[in-house]
Amino acid sequence: EPEVTQTPSHQVTQMGQEVILRCVPISNHLYFYWYRQILGQKVEFLVSFYNNEISEKSEIFDDQFSVERPDGSNFTLKIRSTKLEDSAMYFCASSEVLAVSFSYEQYFGPGTRLTVT
Amino acid sequence: RKEVEQDPGPFNVPEGATVAFNCTYSNSASQSFFWYRQDCRKEPKLLMSVYSSGNEDGRFTAQLNRASQYISLLIRDSKLSDSATYLCVEMDTGRRALTFGSGTRLQVQP
Repeated sequence: EPEVTQTPSHQVTQMGQEVILRCVPISNHLYFYWYRQILGQKVEFLVSFYNNEISEKSEIFDDQFSVERPDGSNFTLKIRSTKLEDSAMYFCASSEVLAVSFSYEQYFGPGTRLTVT
Repeated sequence: RKEVEQDPGPFNVPEGATVAFNCTYSNSASQSFFWYRQDCRKEPKLLMSVYSSGNEDGRFTAQLNRASQYISLLIRDSKLSDSATYLCVEMDTGRRALTFGSGTRLQVQP
């Protein structure tokens, strides 16, 4: 069964450093997403990406964050200057674009645990 | 502000029991609803989409009541492997961002 993959599984970084989290969405999916979950809290939407541009973003997704699809398979989330409060699990997700069906099911990767010290 | 509310539990049930979770949502423009399950420190896994007519997948049944703005999930014949946190999720009309509830924890005991 196809699945979303993410690397690394755990990233430790110092405050102020840049990090790039990587994702490989399911191959025939065209919508990509990033979510985060701070320990003990809800899963929160960050951004969605379609047709090589951001289609939606939340208020969490400020100028410190950016996303990119650098090639045909990878989808990345960059945090320019990490803060302690960026420590969280970051999940990538993907979904199909179906013209006929109204299925918007999103499938999540295993996550990257980001620890900012 | 769109909210999805769930009873955090935990629901402690014996194997073989039937258990039901409810969830309420505040956004009347919500278009799509889902139940995900999340094991400790793992990713949310899609359990089922929730359709207006209700839907069933094996031991799992989901219902949607738009008038009262609540969604339910019924699990029959609980297994130990059903122990997890169940996340109620909604998606707004015209958008793709998912709004998650904080989850209901289920512990199935032998």
